[in-house]
Amino acid sequence: SQKIEQNSEALNIQEGKTATLTCNYTNYSPAYLQWYRQDPGRGPVFLLLIRENEKEKRKERLKVTFDTTLKQSLFHITASQPADSATYLCALESDSWGKLQFGAGTQVVVTP
Amino acid sequence: ETGVTQSPTHLIKTRGQQVTLRCSSQSGHNTVSWYQQALGQGPQFIFQYYREEENGRGNFPPRFSGLQFPNYSSELNVNALELDDSALYLCASSFRSSGNTIYFGEGSWLTVV
Repeated sequence: SQKIEQNSEALNIQEGKTATLTCNYTNYSPAYLQWYRQDPGRGPVFLLLIRENEKEKRKERLKVTFDTTLKQSLFHITASQPADSATYLCALESDSWGKLQFGAGTQVVVTP
Repeated sequence: ETGVTQSPTHLIKTRGQQVTLRCSSQSGHNTVSWYQQALGQGPQFIFQYYREEENGRGNFPPRFSGLQFPNYSSELNVNALELDDSALYLCASSFRSSGNTIYFGEGSWLTVV
């Protein structure tokens, strides 16, 4: 069955450092992969989408890589700030358009 | 602001009751999906509506049903509520095209007692 795995333990990081999150998947051949941010009690907010033919994508302090051979995506937050503290979700499209399957998310805590 | 609004934001229901949750999509979006998110988990796909027709369904029983209206707003109905239905219900809207951004509402928190 299709599975998406993200680090289950919270990532505690000091302000200014780079946070790196992992998303591994099995039994998918995704055309693209998405990352979302979710704050407590709120809906997910879209951050980045990376296509299967793209190795890397950047948006401001965020960087995503996508390795379809390893079936893995890495999500980096550079120069992290306390405001980056949130849960980050990885999502793949399942068997039909727009039907996303999400990982459980990784909580990031950035301390001053 | 995603332009996707959901109501109500919080509600409490008793086991066995029925609930209707509502979603107003972002202007111009013709596709709406509903997700259930239990505490500590990622969102789980319930179903999707495109041009008022159900267009894909996740692993949820028939007591979860929906509607999409001509103005692309949507409802999620859950009958015979069970305690395990307690969760955050998220509506997501988009324009149907591969790789388009999907916008989520803030969700409706349902507690079943």
